[in-house]
Amino acid sequence: QSVTQLGSHVSVSEGALVLLRCNYSSSVPPYLFWYVQYPNQGLQLLLKYTSAATLVKGINGFEAEFKKSETSFHLTKPSAHMSDAAEYFCAALNNAGGTSYGKLTFGQGTILTVHP
Amino acid sequence: NAGVTQTPKFQVLKTGQSMTLQCAQDMNHEYMSWYRQDPGMGLRLIHYSVGAGITDQGEVPNGYNVSRSTTEDFPLRLLSAAPSQTSVYFCASSWTGNTEAFFGQGTRLTVV
Repeated sequence: QSVTQLGSHVSVSEGALVLLRCNYSSSVPPYLFWYVQYPNQGLQLLLKYTSAATLVKGINGFEAEFKKSETSFHLTKPSAHMSDAAEYFCAALNNAGGTSYGKLTFGQGTILTVHP
Repeated sequence: NAGVTQTPKFQVLKTGQSMTLQCAQDMNHEYMSWYRQDPGMGLRLIHYSVGAGITDQGEVPNGYNVSRSTTEDFPLRLLSAAPSQTSVYFCASSWTGNTEAFFGQGTRLTVV
């Protein structure tokens, strides 16, 4: 299993659409998560996909759509705010066989910069 | 609830020294893990535990030991620190093996 985030740095203007890309490779669709990390802090859960609704809404106006055909779980926000500047991580739990034992596989991370 | 608490927040070690990174959670979670974060590499799993007395290796276990004597605590030991272990270390816990993880604030370790 692997998780790939396209673009290590994304820059947007305040008020613009935010799109952070995440693709996974797994024979069985995993549970998927987006975490946000503000400078010198731990990771905070933004949203999660656990095979219920494919469009998932999270905190701070973020949402993500699970697309099995594209093996993707891209994160979006309609209008960026200065406070959204942070590093974002996509992560997967491979639950094939019943449990993943809590072992997350992370993407490389995307640093979001928001310009005034 | 404090959640997941890691100590210390910062540490500088000399090559060859040993130390223990502490991790405690007060959510009664069975599953706990240690990750290291390096620039451009995301977080990588070092060791994990599925309950008291049960631990196993993750993706990058070399140079690290763990034990889990209680549900609450999951310390990470560096027996002989190397510069390659300079990193930010995160402890995480989850209720089950298939639910979201809660992370501590991290320990920034520098080995000189």
